[in-house]
Amino acid sequence: SQQGEEDPQALSIQEGENATMNCSYKTSINNLQWYRQNSGRGLVHLILIRSNEREKHSGRLRVTLDTSKKSSSLLITASRAADTASYFCALVKAAGNKLTFGGGTRVLVKP
Amino acid sequence: NAGVTQTPKFQVLKTGQSMTLQCAQDMNHNSMYWYRQDPGMGLRLIYYSASEGTTDKGEVPNGYNVSRLNKREFSLRLESAAPSQTSVYFCASMGQGAYQPQHFGDGTRLSIL
Repeated sequence: SQQGEEDPQALSIQEGENATMNCSYKTSINNLQWYRQNSGRGLVHLILIRSNEREKHSGRLRVTLDTSKKSSSLLITASRAADTASYFCALVKAAGNKLTFGGGTRVLVKP
Repeated sequence: NAGVTQTPKFQVLKTGQSMTLQCAQDMNHNSMYWYRQDPGMGLRLIYYSASEGTTDKGEVPNGYNVSRLNKREFSLRLESAAPSQTSVYFCASMGQGAYQPQHFGDGTRLSIL
């Protein structure tokens, strides 16, 4: 299976701290995407990183991709209570248009 | 700017009843998707439609049917609901191109007793 596996499953931090979560996978990919899901809501796209890219930034978010290790990480810097959510990595198979989601990391940011 | 709209938001069914979940997008996207999300888990693809007039099975299609009614609308039907189909169902759409994100609705919470 090419499903991403996320680590840790849950993370609790204080406001202002950084949060890091990881996604590992088993097959080649075209790109990898990160999504956020607030409680009771749909998923919201955060960042897409292509297989030939190693790092991307968007505001307080930093994503890395290591295709040799088949892993990606999402870093949220200077976390806020509003960052409390579940975060999912999603893989796009080469030349495909389907996403395969990992199980997610639940992040709790305490004020 | 509505994006992806799902109806209904909540539904309770009895085992054996049938139901159609509706999804519409106003972004002129070619591709549409149906997922299910079980507690504490990621999304699993049920069916998808890469373009108007085509549909394909995803990872967990058994017990479901879909219809791509037109470019805007993609419906999911449960012909004979089972308790194992209790879940939250999400519809998504995606534009044309190799590096596109998916846009999600807020889900339909379905309980089958």
